[in-house]
Amino acid sequence: GAVVSQHPSRVICKSGTSVKIECRSLDFQATTMFWYRQFPKQSLMLMATSNEGSKATYEQGVEKDKFLINHASLTLSTLTVTSAHPEDSSFYICSARDGAGDDEQYFGPGTRLTVT
Amino acid sequence: LAKTTQPISMDSYEGQEVNITCSHNNIATNDYITWYQQFPSQGPRFIIQGYKTKVTNEVASLFIPADRKSSTLSLPRVSLSDTAVYYCLVAPNSGNTPLVFGKGTRLSVIA
Repeated sequence: GAVVSQHPSRVICKSGTSVKIECRSLDFQATTMFWYRQFPKQSLMLMATSNEGSKATYEQGVEKDKFLINHASLTLSTLTVTSAHPEDSSFYICSARDGAGDDEQYFGPGTRLTVT
Repeated sequence: LAKTTQPISMDSYEGQEVNITCSHNNIATNDYITWYQQFPSQGPRFIIQGYKTKVTNEVASLFIPADRKSSTLSLPRVSLSDTAVYYCLVAPNSGNTPLVFGKGTRLSVIA
């Protein structure tokens, strides 16, 4: 099956700084990628839909100025957590659908963000 | 998007067959049923997908009754490594539709 990677896998940053997380589709092109956040013992929560070449669509309650999403190419979407605070500490997961292949939605391995 | 309901948790002994049922009463005509598995600190992994009747692959079977208002994931002869959270999702199989996760079922396999 197709592979989605994320970088970094784990990051610790200080409160007030910004952190960028990359999501790549390694062997397929994805015009649409999705970003999720997962707190401990909870389910994945959809944050936004990332569209190549256009603005992302954010879910209700997700601040677009705090979680900047850029989808500049068909294989890369980035999520930047700006002015991070401890409550932003979470597990961030991206996914992409291989529309030209089996049409399954593939998930990345996730990025553990800890804000101190 | 159709809402799903699953048991919060299940326990099973190694070697047993585990059946996890999911209710999706408001499933739409163009919705597919997909099950994912998630281990701690990892992204979800696709297990199986179906539209109606029965689907089987190398890891699981998916049973869907004629009314499609529920589905059952069947894991044959589970092992300790099958301990994970299992999510049932219902959505159209199109590229721009995100998957919305419910609470999932936490399966614990005991030796």
